[in-house]
Amino acid sequence: DTEVTQTPKHLVMGMTNKKSLKCEQHMGHRAMYWYKQKAKKPPELMFVYSYEKLSINESVPSRFSPECPNSSLSNLHLHALQPEDSALYLCASSQSGRSYGELFFGEGSRLTVL
Amino acid sequence: KNEVEQSPQNLTAQEGEFITINCSYSVGISALHWLQQHPGGGIVSLFMLSSGKKKHGRLIATINIQEKHSSLHITASHPRDSAVYICAVRRGTGNQFYFGTGTSLTVIP
Repeated sequence: DTEVTQTPKHLVMGMTNKKSLKCEQHMGHRAMYWYKQKAKKPPELMFVYSYEKLSINESVPSRFSPECPNSSLSNLHLHALQPEDSALYLCASSQSGRSYGELFFGEGSRLTVL
Repeated sequence: KNEVEQSPQNLTAQEGEFITINCSYSVGISALHWLQQHPGGGIVSLFMLSSGKKKHGRLIATINIQEKHSSLHITASHPRDSAVYICAVRRGTGNQFYFGTGTSLTVIP
């Protein structure tokens, strides 16, 4: 199994809603990443989890709250988002601490904030 | 200045043409990745390189560590190759990847 599965594929939410994005992988990877991608731009790193601990937070607003309850799963909790947060949210995984670890991406969750 | 620069930004080719996309980086790396993203879609890893050359079907990737440069070649291009191609580099054993801005390829039948 070389898949990273993200759900939901599409999400529309209002600015007062609370929702979550889910990312799962069963490749034994211990690094999981969240990226935000706007149209025609490269992915921007938001968070990195290494061995279930948050190792990188790229100064992301607190309305985005990640968690990694186990090595196979990461959630990105969303609360009080702004319309400019509308984007494709990509999750990826790799072997942590292995410099030659390949990076696997999910299909992404396309978020629209109204 | 970006750590990773790609050229060209946009590329249009006729079906069957040989295509080259270039990536230059300014930092020491442990590996370089070539990624493909179709419109509206997720990202697929094409190659991971730390030296030399790799080939998958019609795709060839090369890297020159001394010159800090990599190329992605597509032979006999096809409309289904139309996508954005992204170069990303990894420094050491850390979990930080640096991405290029991507090359948007359109192959016309």
